[in-house]
Amino acid sequence: GQNIDQPTEMTATEGAIVQINCTYQTSGFNGLFWYQQHAGEAPTFLSYNVLDGLEEKGRFSSFLSRSKGYSYLLLKELQMKDSASYLCAVKDSNYQLIWGAGTKLIIKP
Amino acid sequence: IAGITQAPTSQILAAGRRMTLRCTQDMRHNAMYWYRQDLGLGLRLIHYSNTAGTTGKGEVPDGYSVSRANTDDFPLTLASAVPSQTSVYFCASSETQNSPLHFGNGTRLTVT
Repeated sequence: GQNIDQPTEMTATEGAIVQINCTYQTSGFNGLFWYQQHAGEAPTFLSYNVLDGLEEKGRFSSFLSRSKGYSYLLLKELQMKDSASYLCAVKDSNYQLIWGAGTKLIIKP
Repeated sequence: IAGITQAPTSQILAAGRRMTLRCTQDMRHNAMYWYRQDLGLGLRLIHYSNTAGTTGKGEVPDGYSVSRANTDDFPLTLASAVPSQTSVYFCASSETQNSPLHFGNGTRLTVT
């Protein structure tokens, strides 16, 4: 079967750095996405990786290793507004998105 | 403001009733999707449409139907609602199959 694994919940301190990991086992790979979802709201797109390496976008970076079936989302200079769930999703060989259950990130002052 | 509009925002529905969740986008995206989101589970694809006039089944299609008569609209119908269909339903669209998804604000449905 296909599955995406991410930690259920993480806690970090305002101003710090946090890394959210995602491991995947899918039939084929056509890209990995990270989305942010605030409580009660819709997911919003954060980043896309299709080749190995690091993609940086402001305070957020995403890393991919296809050989290891592994990605992480790195959030720097954490702000209270970063408290949200972070969803990892992989496009399989049929271009269908397989979603992880999400990581709830709690930021403490 | 361009985006996706879902209606209603929330609904309480008696079991056995028929219900259509509406979804409209004004971005002229080709692909549209319906997902359900339940606590502790990832988003699960119900149905999708890669272009107007075509639809396909996702991971959890049973009990749901869709139509795509034009580019903008992608309604989801529950023919006879059951309590296990209690969930938050998100409509999404993407320009192509490889593009990021844009989500509507969701419909919170409770079937009693």
